[in-house]
Amino acid sequence: DQQVKQNSPSLSVQEGRISILNCDYTNSMFDYFLWYKKYPAEGPTFLISISSIKDKNEDGRFTVFLNKSAKHLSLHIVPSQPGDSAVYFCAAKRSQGAQKLVFGQGTRLTINP
Amino acid sequence: NAGVTQTPKFQVLKTGQSMTLQCAQDMNHEYMSWYRQDPGMGLRLIHYSVGAGITDQGEVPNGYNVSRSTTEDFPLRLLSAAPSQTSVYFCASSYTGRTDTQYFGPGTRLTVL
Repeated sequence: DQQVKQNSPSLSVQEGRISILNCDYTNSMFDYFLWYKKYPAEGPTFLISISSIKDKNEDGRFTVFLNKSAKHLSLHIVPSQPGDSAVYFCAAKRSQGAQKLVFGQGTRLTINP
Repeated sequence: NAGVTQTPKFQVLKTGQSMTLQCAQDMNHEYMSWYRQDPGMGLRLIHYSVGAGITDQGEVPNGYNVSRSTTEDFPLRLLSAAPSQTSVYFCASSYTGRTDTQYFGPGTRLTVL
């Protein structure tokens, strides 16, 4: 049972345009959400997070939106740059679950010059 | 600060062999965990530890053992390797607060023949 789903395995965006990566979750107990970025042959690195008490969190070019009623979150990257090409993982956790993260399958983002 | 280190980077085993994947962190993090990454599956939690002497199972613990004798080290043991354990393994560490970020190591790519 996949509790966190990223239904788009890949996404291709032109440099300078907006990249939108989507993530859905099924467990209503999740109350903290994160996005990780992963380059080939490296470990995932933390990008941005959002608590369930918010619906938006912004950090530079990256914004995460949370729609609790739809159990959906999205990551917006504006403007997209070639260095943003990577695999992006959505992850979720519960306050009661220590640091146990549940990850989505990942979306490979390619930024074209 | 070296962060989270993992050894080896690559390993090839034959079915039935045993081995230990090493993980160490120098950030004095209480929480450490092991994930495996498989194509189309995202990262799945194998085992985790909230402090020295305390370990617990994650989502996919079968075939793996862990121990946590020190804060710094969290080795993962494969008792009798199987081809289904071919994967990329990531170790991560963090403080235990709800919003504390997990830091990942560079990964170990394991192939079981």
